[in-house]
Amino acid sequence: EDKVVQSPLSLVVHEGDTVTLNCSYEVTNFRSLLWYKQEKKAPTFLFMLTSSGIEKKSGRLSSILDKKELFSILNITATQTGDSAIYLCAVLSGYSTLTFGKGTMLLVSP
Amino acid sequence: DTEVTQTPKHLVMGMTNKKSLKCEQHMGHRAMYWYKQKAKKPPELMFVYSYEKLSINESVPSRFSPECPNSSLLNLHLHALQPEDSALYLCASTSFAVAGANVLTFGAGSRLTVL
Repeated sequence: EDKVVQSPLSLVVHEGDTVTLNCSYEVTNFRSLLWYKQEKKAPTFLFMLTSSGIEKKSGRLSSILDKKELFSILNITATQTGDSAIYLCAVLSGYSTLTFGKGTMLLVSP
Repeated sequence: DTEVTQTPKHLVMGMTNKKSLKCEQHMGHRAMYWYKQKAKKPPELMFVYSYEKLSINESVPSRFSPECPNSSLLNLHLHALQPEDSALYLCASTSFAVAGANVLTFGAGSRLTVL
């Protein structure tokens, strides 16, 4: 059975801190790993990673994939209160199966 | 148009009612998904339609009945639901255009309350 494990499950930081969120996976026929941010409604797409060692970057967020060790990290630098959300890691495998981790709930306090 | 549109945004229904959730996308995506999400939990896959055919049914009770009338529309028919079915129902779609490049685009969700 495909498995995606995120850590930590929850995290509280102060504005301006840097955070690293982790995602490890065990899946059959890996295709890609996706990061989503979820506030009150639907998840919004952040990154898709398919190749090892290539950092994806968008503003203060960045992510990288290690296909040998089967994990990915999501970094957020200079955190802001608007970064408070649940960050979901999901792995696409096989034909069209997307397996989600439980998410990391991030709270950034002012 | 790069959106997945879900209606209604909120739905309250009794256990004997019959209602439907609707999802629409005009991005040419040929895979469409229904997910159920309870509070503080990740989305759980319910159904996947590929090229308008049901390809995955994750052992969902028959009181949930999906329908894909055409490549742009996905419905979820609800009948005789239970209070524990109250959740956020998310529709998503993706393209098979490039292998491995299947980013799911989610709709805003339909929040269902069953009384």
